[in-house]
Parts: sequence; C-alpha cells; structure tokens
Amino acid sequence: NAGVMQNPRHLVRRRGQEARLRCSPMKGHSHVYWYRQLPEEGLKFMVYLQKENIIDESGMPKERFSAEFPKEGPSILRIQQVVRGDSAAYFCASSPGTGTSGNTIYFGEGSWLTVV
Amino acid sequence: AQSVAQPEDQVNVAEGNPLTVKCTYSVSGNPYLFWYVQYPNRGLQFLLKYITGDNLVKGSYGFEAEFNKSQTSFHLKKPSALVSDSALYFCAVRVYTGGFKTIFGAGTRLFVKA
Repeated sequence: NAGVMQNPRHLVRRRGQEARLRCSPMKGHSHVYWYRQLPEEGLKFMVYLQKENIIDESGMPKERFSAEFPKEGPSILRIQQVVRGDSAAYFCASSPGTGTSGNTIYFGEGSWLTVV
Repeated sequence: AQSVAQPEDQVNVAEGNPLTVKCTYSVSGNPYLFWYVQYPNRGLQFLLKYITGDNLVKGSYGFEAEFNKSQTSFHLKKPSALVSDSALYFCAVRVYTGGFKTIFGAGTRLFVKA
C-alpha cells in the first residue's frame, strides 16, 4: 500500500522560473494538504484541497502560489516567478474524508526546492 | 485563535533516561491532538494521537503521551530514551475551518546522548 508520493524530491530553479510540485495521496484518501518548512523552522500550513475543490487556502501567499487537485491525477503546487525566499521543503499530506474529525494525516517525503 | 505551542526548542537527555517533550494547546471544543517525528531530510512520521477516552495514549517506538484537560497539555514521553530517538518532534492539533486541517507547533529538537 503506497504512501503519499511526492515528486520531484529535489528541484533547483533559477529566480523567475516556475516550480511545479506534485503529490499523489495515499490510496483511498481524498483530502490533500500542503505545508512549507523553511530551514530550521516549523511546518506552516498552506492549503487544503479535496478533488476539484479548495477548502482552505488561508496559508497560501497571495501572489505567485496556486494549488489544484484535479479529478484525475495528482495535486499540484505551483510557484510562479520563484524568488530565493521560496527555497524550502514542501510537504504534502493526505487523509481520508472528514467523516471523522480526528483523522490522521500522513506525509510524503517532501520536495526540496532550491532557488538559485 | 486555535493553536498549539511547544515551549522548548531543544531537549537534551542521556540515553536510558526518561524523556518528556512538552506541548500545550488552545482550541475551542474537543481537542484532537497528535505527535509526529521528523528525521533529517525526511517527511513527518505519525507517532500517536488523542481523540477521546483514556488520557494516556500509547504510540509507535515506545512513545506515549498524556492528555491533561485542566492544563491543556499533551506531553510526549518515553520511559527510556535511545540515541536513535534524536530527531525533531512536532505536536499538532486538528482545527475546523470549514473542513478539518492540522496545524503544528514549532517543533522540539530532541538530542539523546550516549
């Protein structure tokens, strides 16, 4: 039973380029969460999605960042015109539906973005 | 605001000694509390959670946590620390914002010395 799959694991982009990070949730999970972890810092919530629907994007920067979770395929976190401050580890997590409020979320291994 | 706090940036303990990593929370309604561990350059691994019931929750790798409603705390404990327990530990709480999401404390780095 595959866990949460993220790719790429490592990504290097020049300033001004676009970064696309992909996340496939665990089998049977319909909810996806994206978090950002800056060096030596904690985990900051970015966005929470269900299929074709954004539930909570309160942690997303207002510009350059977007996320989607289409009906088919993985969830995508897209960062346009990257800047050095975007360098971080981006983690995806997934959970079953919200039938149980105490659902555990399970994490992927992360995507490390370096902007040069 | 609903939140979770980890008051210690770092905890040092000798191998074989008991360890405690502290966590306090502030939520409206019943709290759903979690502990995760992160090893270098890896994702977070789930350790244990409290939803309801017994205040002492047992989890993976010999860890346990005690829910204390009056003190709004959920401290992580282990009777005998191992060097391999050295890692970054995160406390988390589920909050409702139109759907349930999990928010994390700042993390506590645990060093276990041989």
